[in-house]
Amino acid sequence: QVQMVQSGAEVKKLGASVKVSCKASGYTFNNFDINWVRQAPGQGLEWMGWMNPKSGNKVYAERFKGRVTMTRNTSISTAYMELNNVRLEDTAVYYCARGRAYGRGGRWFDPWGQGTLVTVSS
Amino acid sequence: QSPLTQPPSVSGAPGQRVTISCTGSSSNIGAGYDVHWYQHLPGTAPKVLIYGNNNRPSGVPDRFSGSKSGTSASLAITGLQADDEADYYCQSYDYRLDGSQVFGGGTKLTVL
Repeated sequence: QVQMVQSGAEVKKLGASVKVSCKASGYTFNNFDINWVRQAPGQGLEWMGWMNPKSGNKVYAERFKGRVTMTRNTSISTAYMELNNVRLEDTAVYYCARGRAYGRGGRWFDPWGQGTLVTVSS
Repeated sequence: QSPLTQPPSVSGAPGQRVTISCTGSSSNIGAGYDVHWYQHLPGTAPKVLIYGNNNRPSGVPDRFSGSKSGTSASLAITGLQADDEADYYCQSYDYRLDGSQVFGGGTKLTVL
């Protein structure tokens, strides 16, 4: 079955970088984009951006531009999200999700990874 | 602040029908972009309930339905069950946000 399996929890100091991986299985990795979504404690879901595994093209949400980098290794069907210069407010659960294109510019997300808790401490 | 507005909470008794609204604007739902809905239980991965305004993926019960009109969309849940208690999010595309996908703020459903 289609599955997204993420790397384990991370604890980082202020200003450090964190890199989360997302291994896809059960489908052709290059055929669907990978999206990243996060949820801070007590907050809602926030879309961070997406990447096309085949072309490497990316779209980042405005508020993360300059701090986030999305990459992939197609040989092992794995996508990565790296967030630099982390702040206390970056403490959140980070999810990857396969994007299903729909309509004009839209996409829906299915399935999602299990989530990776990133804790930023001072 | 999200471009999509949802009520923070709704509630209903077992067996009842509840609806969750998602209000957007002329740059997202009102521009004709589609709406998708997710159910999120604490500590688990979000799960898609409705895609493309009113389509259910296989395995999602027909108690869940979606609709869209103008600048708003709605998720309806009939025959409410205890395990429907979760957070629900709408999601769409907003052309004024540089190609961004956007989520509503989420609605907590409480089954009384």
